[in-house]
Amino acid sequence: DAKTTQPTSMDCAEGRAANLPCNHSTISGNEYVYWYRQIHSQGPQYIIHGLKNNETNEMASLIITEDRKSSTLILPHATLRDTAVYYCIVRVHKAAGNKLTFGGGTRVLVKP
Amino acid sequence: KAGVTQTPRYLIKTRGQQVTLSCSPISGHRSVSWYQQTPGQGLQFLFEYFSETQRNKGNFPGRFSGRQFSNSRSEMNVSTLELGDSALYLCASSWGQDLTEAFFGQGTRLTVV
Repeated sequence: DAKTTQPTSMDCAEGRAANLPCNHSTISGNEYVYWYRQIHSQGPQYIIHGLKNNETNEMASLIITEDRKSSTLILPHATLRDTAVYYCIVRVHKAAGNKLTFGGGTRVLVKP
Repeated sequence: KAGVTQTPRYLIKTRGQQVTLSCSPISGHRSVSWYQQTPGQGLQFLFEYFSETQRNKGNFPGRFSGRQFSNSRSEMNVSTLELGDSALYLCASSWGQDLTEAFFGQGTRLTVV
């Protein structure tokens, strides 16, 4: 699975959009981008995933660049409850197992 | 629909002992994965079971083992505990063989003294 690079931490103002970048310059054509987050003392929570088209769900939007070497997770209106560590994961979407390889993630602090 | 349930939530063991942790996946899910989380190493994959078969294994010593039962419930066992095994152990369940999303439990906090 391709390696990802994320900023170690970032702050965000409550009510504003939070834009979380992720670099995955060695991504292969059959690898998807997944985002999870982990709120303190809880298990990770799935947010969204995508291959090459932009994706949106009730939690967030995922923007993937045309060359697929980077992506941005957007939390449209950050709340204090969005304070968490956000993990960007790249993996092949195949029937070879459900293994997730977590990196260091981005520690997001939403401030009032 | 009940989420992933891990028991116990907290555990204190002595070096050299063994421990068994339990995970009940979401009803209908057939894949169960285990992860270890420590401040130094972060979240690391231990192993995955699908339909009672171990399908993937992480880079952990043989002291770490697991199994899955016919009802998809899973257990992991750590023998000859070491201080460095102190960690949060997380279980995740998924419906099928291709990962769309994994649902994690709250974890078991193991402290080895």
